[in-house]
This record gives sequence, structure tokens and C-alpha cells, in this order.
Amino acid sequence: DSGVTQTPKHLITATGQRVTLRCSPRSGDLSVYWYQQSLDQGLQFLIHYYNGEERAKGNILERFSAQQFPDLHSELNLSSLELGDSALYFCASSLEGSGGISYNEQFFGPGTRLTVL
Amino acid sequence: AQKVTQAQTEISVVEKEDVTLDCVYETRDTTYYLFWYKQPPSGELVFLIRRNSFDEQNEISGRYSWNFQKSTSSFNFTITASQVVDSAVYFCALSEARQAGTALIFGKGTTLSVSS
Repeated sequence: DSGVTQTPKHLITATGQRVTLRCSPRSGDLSVYWYQQSLDQGLQFLIHYYNGEERAKGNILERFSAQQFPDLHSELNLSSLELGDSALYFCASSLEGSGGISYNEQFFGPGTRLTVL
Repeated sequence: AQKVTQAQTEISVVEKEDVTLDCVYETRDTTYYLFWYKQPPSGELVFLIRRNSFDEQNEISGRYSWNFQKSTSSFNFTITASQVVDSAVYFCALSEARQAGTALIFGKGTTLSVSS
């Protein structure tokens, strides 16, 4: 058990709908990352939040957005869903030390499997 | 740009065989981190190891060992005396070294099947 929790575990929805995926990082971790794993694209970085602020964006579609709340949990919102959005969405957290360089060891949650019908 | 290549898509071995998973990376950074993750059939991603670019010492953990060679930009992973439980997809990943952390760049993964 990595200590990172994600809900729900599975989500089945229809095209055009909107869903919210939730992630709680390990206790003490300030960084949350979202990744998408699909058969054709592999594991791709979507977005990174650090202590409530957006740090970096990867291949995240405009239909997708995320935020990190004061209690450090994060939500990934996916809207106007398309068939191609079906994938496994992972959240990862890591401890970024104050001062100095982070070792960037990211611990992954169990993932949310999204199926768009 | 950063890139990770895992040329072996699938490997099949019989229990107790040794197997090496290859990973080649590209980066312009002088300081970076390399990782291996395991994804068993259950789907979760399990952290195995992190290696700093300035530390080329090989590492051994039980049946697992890692060979980092900066000269060839490779970070290979060897499983000795493989077991059925080692069957999984293994990902090699690369990241920059930054204060607040950065995204992992993953290879496509190598699917290892170990039969009894």
C-alpha cells in the first residue's frame, strides 16, 4: 500500500458527460501528480500541483482541469468526455523537502479506471 | 527533450531463469533521476528504485539488481532466479532534478511473463 488513495476505483460513463476523480496524497506529501495510462499513449503526465499551486502541465486536454485543495487532496475534472478518454488515471504524490532538491520519488495510488461508452 | 526507450516489448522466461530488462534514456540535464516501477496484473504502480545521475554504483536488492552506465545512457534491471510473481509490466522512468519535483517521463514498458 503506497499510502495514496484514489476514488472511485472504477467509473463508467457516457460520452459528453463530466466526471471528477479524487486523490489523497500520502501524509506529509506536498506534491500531487496526475498521469493517464492508455494502450496507445502509454503513461503520460497530465499536471503537477505543489502545495495548492499548479507547477507544470503536460499533455492535458483543455477539457480537463485539476486543483489541489488546502488539505492537499486533489481532484481531476474531465468534461465533454469522448471515447478516447477511456484510460487508467493515476495520481502520485511525493515529498518535496523545504530547501534543497527533491529526490522526486513518486508513489502512486491504485488508479481510477474510466470507461466512456 | 527527454526520452526513455524500452526496446523490449515482451519477454517470456521460465522460472529460475535470469532476465535483464533494458532501458536507454536521453536527456540534456547533467543532474537527473532514473526510476524503475513495476505494474503487476492488479494494475497499481509500485516504486522499485531511484538512482541519481551522479551515483553510478550498481545496486542489489535481493533478487533485483540495477546497472547504471552513464557512458551508454542505460539503466538496466536484472531479476535473478525469476519467479512467477515477477510477472508484470516494468517501466523505466526519468526525471529532471528540481526543487519542487518534476514529472516522470516513462518508457513504454516491458511485459515480463514468467512461467512455471
